[in-house]
Amino acid sequence: DTAVSQTPKYLVTQMGNDKSIKCEQNLGHDTMYWYKQDSKKFLKIMFSYNNKELIINETVPNRFSPKSPDKAHLNLHINSLELGDSAVYFCASRPGSRLISTDTQYFGPGTRLTVL
Amino acid sequence: GQQVMQIPQYQHVQEGEDFTTYCNSSTTLSNIQWYKQRPGGHPVFLIQLVKSGEVKKQKRLTFQFGEAKKNSSLHITATQTTDVGTYFCAGHTGGFKTIFGAGTRLFVKA
Repeated sequence: DTAVSQTPKYLVTQMGNDKSIKCEQNLGHDTMYWYKQDSKKFLKIMFSYNNKELIINETVPNRFSPKSPDKAHLNLHINSLELGDSAVYFCASRPGSRLISTDTQYFGPGTRLTVL
Repeated sequence: GQQVMQIPQYQHVQEGEDFTTYCNSSTTLSNIQWYKQRPGGHPVFLIQLVKSGEVKKQKRLTFQFGEAKKNSSLHITATQTTDVGTYFCAGHTGGFKTIFGAGTRLFVKA
């Protein structure tokens, strides 16, 4: 009965490969996020979807492409992986669909991506 | 762009000592949240502050929101080894975007 789940938990791959990370939430939330956490623990927002619609797209290389097939899922596809993509990627969800919201974010367990 | 600065970056304490982390925003916030991330874990929500000057307590943790709603602090009294982790503040100005501080990593020596 995990609230926000991510697969895989660990991903080790070679430079230049293409990989995907999947996220699912069973909380009925309307808004989902992808964050990147680097080795210094800094959490940087990448994307946000609200009811399958992209609402936040930070300055992220276009090698990163999010996809939300429905509001319970938000996947992240990364093309041509680079060494600097190594990080922990967290998915998160939030109930609010209102523009102004004080809702809590619920984070997934994270996917540790290592690019060799 | 909007920034939330958090200090210190690291703090080493002896078990039983107090600990405080501070956040400052370049703009007025509608609310601020605090999260804790244990080593190897994911951020977990602790509390939310909404009102100017608000103070909330959770056992040994005390959270404050400044009068101008631009700064906040988390104070832990008599730290324990279970307090180890990274503490993040997260500011909102409205909308969907959350601006996280850089986090303060707390190390507690038994």
